[in-house]
Amino acid sequence: GQQVMQIPQYQHVQEGEDFTTYCNSSTTLSNIQWYKQRPGGHPVFLIQLVKSGEVKKQKRLTFQFGEAKKNSSLHITATQTTDVGTYFCAGRSVGNEKLTFGTGTRLTIIP
Amino acid sequence: KAGVTQTPRYLIKTRGQQVTLSCSPISGHRSVSWYQQTPGQGLQFLFEYFSETQRNKGNFPGRFSGRQFSNSRSEMNVSTLELGDSALYLCASSLISGRNSPLHFGNGTRLTVT
Repeated sequence: GQQVMQIPQYQHVQEGEDFTTYCNSSTTLSNIQWYKQRPGGHPVFLIQLVKSGEVKKQKRLTFQFGEAKKNSSLHITATQTTDVGTYFCAGRSVGNEKLTFGTGTRLTIIP
Repeated sequence: KAGVTQTPRYLIKTRGQQVTLSCSPISGHRSVSWYQQTPGQGLQFLFEYFSETQRNKGNFPGRFSGRQFSNSRSEMNVSTLELGDSALYLCASSLISGRNSPLHFGNGTRLTVT
């Protein structure tokens, strides 16, 4: 079945440093979504990428979808304490509507 | 607009019992998905309902079942509970079923099986 892996599993950064999480799927995806889950909270939708090679920005967050539509990345510039949480990618394989979540990357910020 | 509502927030059950969890989607949303979240396994897809029909199902045993009502509210049931069923159960709704629909999650029901 489809597997979606994320690396790293954990990331500790000093406030102000950059952060990147990578998402890799075993199958080609029709699209990729990103979610953020704060400690004790529930996943919140951030963005969706659909096109091969697509890049989208939300303030300090940059999302990329790979050319082969099998990988994606989320980059945060100059992290802030409000960025703390676990970031999940989620994708649907081509021809399969089931949304599979990645393993997640937990980001902690050292003030 | 009210968000996704899940009840109860917390549940403690003993092995062998059964449990029913409830989810009310955002008004107008017709698709409801259920996920199990554990520290070791992450977010695992249970099933998705759309217009009272199960559209997709994850790799969980038959002890896990669900249904959706005509008002889009959904319930999931777990019978013969096992210790490993302890988890946060998240419900998510979306406007439609399919690949371009972002999920809106509820706060979850934390189930503890003793």
